Amino acid sequence: GAGVSQTPSNKVTEKGKYVELRCDPISGHTALYWYRQSLGQGPEFLIYFQGTGAADDSGLPNDRFFAVRPEGSVSTLKIQRTERGDSAVYLCASSLTGSAGELFFGEGSRLTVL
Amino acid sequence: EDKVVQSPLSLVVHEGDTVTLNCSYEVTNFRSLLWYKQEKKAPTFLFMLTSSGIEKKSGRLSSILDKKELFSILNITATQTGDSAVYLCVRNTNAGKSTFGDGTTLTVKP
Repeated sequence: GAGVSQTPSNKVTEKGKYVELRCDPISGHTALYWYRQSLGQGPEFLIYFQGTGAADDSGLPNDRFFAVRPEGSVSTLKIQRTERGDSAVYLCASSLTGSAGELFFGEGSRLTVL
Repeated sequence: EDKVVQSPLSLVVHEGDTVTLNCSYEVTNFRSLLWYKQEKKAPTFLFMLTSSGIEKKSGRLSSILDKKELFSILNITATQTGDSAVYLCVRNTNAGKSTFGDGTTLTVKP
């Protein structure tokens, strides 16, 4: 596609529910990143994919968070047993290579856990 | 570890003023430093810096990196209301990891 696409743009869920957030990167970009941004803070690194594999998942806060990129393109961030503290904007970015050059960001998915 | 510190946290100026935004970082496995502008949702790319002392310039914006002192500055001259945004500094490592600062919120008043 022309840019990084994220869906849904907004998601409201209840505490304890399961959510999936999707990211469709720029075609041909091998690197894909997930970030979480809370109000007044910079994006917080969650996980970085190079192709299909997670090259660095050190930012995932706990085992309720999981991400996949099975075919090296679209990625899904999965959050189990959501908590109110998970409320944030989840940003996805892609990059042409894995050298962490310019990142192209999607518009984000705003998650609200009630 | 991996800290990126930006200052000031916020800044209010009037149109026509010049501003300097600061970013300091830790050196672990450094590859590049980037600046982004975030107005609503998606940050947009401004500059990527890899070498010390070489100024990057785009219109009224410029940026420079000091790898010895581990900091970068972003200058905006003749500010306009459209420059109002959060400016993010990002440090990249050779392993591909990007660490963001918390940003400087710039407000330019008419």
